Amino acid sequence: DAKTTQPPSMDCAEGRAANLPCNHSTISGNEYVYWYRQIHSQGPQYIIHGLKNNETNEMASLIITEDRKSSTLILPHATLRDTAVYYCIVRSALSGNTPLVFGKGTRLSVIA
Amino acid sequence: DTAVSQTPKYLVTQMGNDKSIKCEQNLGHDTMYWYKQDSKKFLKIMFSYNNKELIINETVPNRFSPKSPDKAHLNLHINSLELGDSAVYFCASSRWGDRVHEQYFGPGTRLTVT
Repeated sequence: DAKTTQPPSMDCAEGRAANLPCNHSTISGNEYVYWYRQIHSQGPQYIIHGLKNNETNEMASLIITEDRKSSTLILPHATLRDTAVYYCIVRSALSGNTPLVFGKGTRLSVIA
Repeated sequence: DTAVSQTPKYLVTQMGNDKSIKCEQNLGHDTMYWYKQDSKKFLKIMFSYNNKELIINETVPNRFSPKSPDKAHLNLHINSLELGDSAVYFCASSRWGDRVHEQYFGPGTRLTVT
């Protein structure tokens, strides 16, 4: 079962920042937070991951609270192409290649 | 330059038939996976292979048999197809080892069993 809780859906105006929250209150010390997204009819796409520090890449920023029990994915300037289901996943990266456990995710709709 | 490719993209077949889905990756990865996404959109792991050896089999019926002829390929053969097998099947790949963070997914194969 997924170890994360996300809101089922969110809307965001085009050009504005999209802030997607995720709760992972049972996360353990060696587990990372990952974000993937699935654009309609495509395979999931890796976005970003973090352990305890905030992270930023060309796609997004990841803010993890100090207690690591929640995090927020930020798409700084959302476009229509960012409309997708966003999955927050908690997973250990220390034991080979444990598979990803997907929850229900958040359906983000970017509106013109 | 498709990283993970699957064939076919769509597959429509009747109950009781046997079918195969092929997956190839050109990323030089040594670990490959099959995930199933059902009609309710839940994505679940089915199998993972490392260096052609089965690592994970997540309570999948024996009718499903993955085959890895080499590290770049992981095919999925399904015998005696049932209505409940209708789903989208995604292949994925990654490197093997600690702190490996990214899995790369294929475009999916939509299987419809009538």
